Amino acid sequence: AQSVTQPDIHITVSEGASLELRCNYSYGATPYLFWYVQSPGQGLQLLLKYFSGDTLVQGIKGFEAEFKRSQSSFNLRKPSVHWSDAAEYFCAVGGGGNKLVFGAGTILRVKS
Amino acid sequence: KAGVTQTPRYLIKTRGQQVTLSCSPISGHRSVSWYQQTPGQGLQFLFEYFSETQRNKGNFPGRFSGRQFSNSRSEMNVSTLELGDSALYLCASSPTGSENIQYFGAGTRLSVL
Repeated sequence: AQSVTQPDIHITVSEGASLELRCNYSYGATPYLFWYVQSPGQGLQLLLKYFSGDTLVQGIKGFEAEFKRSQSSFNLRKPSVHWSDAAEYFCAVGGGGNKLVFGAGTILRVKS
Repeated sequence: KAGVTQTPRYLIKTRGQQVTLSCSPISGHRSVSWYQQTPGQGLQFLFEYFSETQRNKGNFPGRFSGRQFSNSRSEMNVSTLELGDSALYLCASSPTGSENIQYFGAGTRLSVL
């Protein structure tokens, strides 16, 4: 069965500092991997996706993620965090139709 | 292009009642999926509809049902509401040929009293 683990429930970073959010997945075949962001009271916005090919993928808002098959990881990174990045971030895996399995989410706090 | 539209945004119901939530997908998208989001269980897949047929189903009781119309709009129904059904219900649509890429609406916040 597919599963996603986001080890960090909360992360606090200073504005302008770099960010890395961790994601580990379990899936028997080549997974489709996603990062979504959710602001309070809102739906999910797709940041980036990995299907195949280049293991470093670029997304919106300056985010990128790297797929590492050997570590079953798909960590999200941003070189310089802005206060507007404060939100909850979800990693998800898909592979069987339109059914995504989400991690528990990581709440990002940005301090000025 | 308009995004995924969910109505209503907020609902308050009492235990035992039933509720119907609506979702209009992005124009041209034929797949609609529903998710439940709660603080305790996180985001959980309910079901997916494609061309008016349920294609995938999550692990929820039969009180949760859905349907899709010929214009791809979808409704989700929950009968005999329980307190634990209080959640944010999210709808997502996917373009044909790009399965797994899902675009989400803002959700319907259901409170069961």
